[in-house]
Amino acid sequence: EPEVTQTPSHQVTQMGQEVILRCVPISNHLYFYWYRQILGQKVEFLVSFYNNEISEKSEIFDDQFSVERPDGSNFTLKIRSTKLEDSAMYFCARGQEQETQYFGPGTRLLVL
Amino acid sequence: QKEVEQNSGPLSVPEGAIASLNCTYSDRGSQSFFWYRQYSGKSPELIMSIYSNGDKEDGRFTAQLNKASQYVSLLIRDSQPSDSATYLCAVSGSGTYKYIFGTGTRLKVLA
Repeated sequence: EPEVTQTPSHQVTQMGQEVILRCVPISNHLYFYWYRQILGQKVEFLVSFYNNEISEKSEIFDDQFSVERPDGSNFTLKIRSTKLEDSAMYFCARGQEQETQYFGPGTRLLVL
Repeated sequence: QKEVEQNSGPLSVPEGAIASLNCTYSDRGSQSFFWYRQYSGKSPELIMSIYSNGDKEDGRFTAQLNKASQYVSLLIRDSQPSDSATYLCAVSGSGTYKYIFGTGTRLKVLA
C-alpha cells in the first residue's frame, strides 16, 4: 500500500499552461517533499514542506512553482506557466525528520 | 556542489550471484544514507537505510557504510531476475532532510 497517492498519474499540457499536481498522504505526517526526474536523469529535489510551510527549496523551484496544502490534507505542486523542460516525472514523498522518505507513484507530466 | 556518484552500469550478474553496487558522496557532513530500487517508469522504492559505519543486513540485502572514505555500498545476495532494476543511492544530512540522489546503477540479473 502506498504511503502517498498522487493524481493525476499522467498529465499532458500545452506550453504556457498552468498545471496542478496533487499528493494525498495516507496518514498524517508533517514533512512532505516534491522531487522530479527528467527522463533518463537523476531524481532531483524541488521543495520540502513542514508544518504547512516551505522549509527548503532548490534552485529549480523558482517563481513558476508553488506548493500549498489547501485543505490540510491534499498537498499540491503548481507550475504556473509550463515550459518544455518541465516535462518529467514528479514524485511526492512523505517523511518525518531524518526518517526514510516514502515516495508516491508519481505524475508523468508532458509539456507540448 | 554536493554530489553523489554511482557507476551507471549496466552491471550484469548471473542469477544466484552476489551483486555489488557502490556509491560515493562529496559532503562529509552527510548523516543518512539510503538505497532505493526503481523499475522503469516507476517511483523509487526503499530497500534500506543506514546511518552508522559498518554493515546492516536485511534479508538478501546488506548495506555497508564507511564515512571516512565517504562510501556506501549495497550487496544483493542470491540475485534474482526480478532484482533487475536501477538502484539509487540517496544521501541526506548536514543540516537538511532533502535527499541528494546519484544517477543510479542499472542492474541486470541474467537467468
